[in-house]
Amino acid sequence: GAVVSQHPSWVICKSGTSVKIECRSLDFQATTMFWYRQFPKQSLMLMATSNEGSKATYEQGVEKDKFLINHASLTLSTLTVTSAHPEDSSFYICSAASEGAAGQYFGPGTRLTVT
Amino acid sequence: AQSVTQPDIHITVSEGASLELRCNYSYGATPYLFWYVQSPGQGLQLLLKYFSGDTLVQGIKGFEAEFKRSQSSFNLRKPSVHWSDAAEYFCAVGSFGGYNKLIFGAGTRLAVHP
Repeated sequence: GAVVSQHPSWVICKSGTSVKIECRSLDFQATTMFWYRQFPKQSLMLMATSNEGSKATYEQGVEKDKFLINHASLTLSTLTVTSAHPEDSSFYICSAASEGAAGQYFGPGTRLTVT
Repeated sequence: AQSVTQPDIHITVSEGASLELRCNYSYGATPYLFWYVQSPGQGLQLLLKYFSGDTLVQGIKGFEAEFKRSQSSFNLRKPSVHWSDAAEYFCAVGSFGGYNKLIFGAGTRLAVHP
């Protein structure tokens, strides 16, 4: 139980384009989803918190207009990196949480490379 | 300030040896503590969690952790390490059962020698 998927697992895009990453909770309803960014050999940095049907809450220093988050349903959240640049290249990981799931469960991550 | 410290960036042990990974936290509210493991290029897998009750918690893959409030610690242990345990280990603290955001430590990279 408590499985979270992400799609795609890796993506390469050209500078200036936008890319969308999906995060799904497969076997539970996630009232809250989180988006993290991880640089090589570093820890996870929380980017934003999204609750179903509400606007996402962004951490300080994260550009909300660049990283668009939509939590359309209790099982799906999307992160769109707009006008991507090479410095946006990173490993993006989502997690989903709900009281029923008793904790926070992580997706397998998406490797984004911007050329 | 809320923080998690993992003092050991890199640890190397021999297969079959015991393991202890250290984690110290600073948290104003009642801490909910977690250990996650990450293999290269993968997401995080929950090893175990502590919410309340017995301070020694058992997790998956033979891991256990002990919560010591007086020392603000939540160290992870395994009596006999397997080569497949080589990975990155993250300690995290949160509130309300982890439903709110988690604060992660910097991680400890474990290497296992045959």
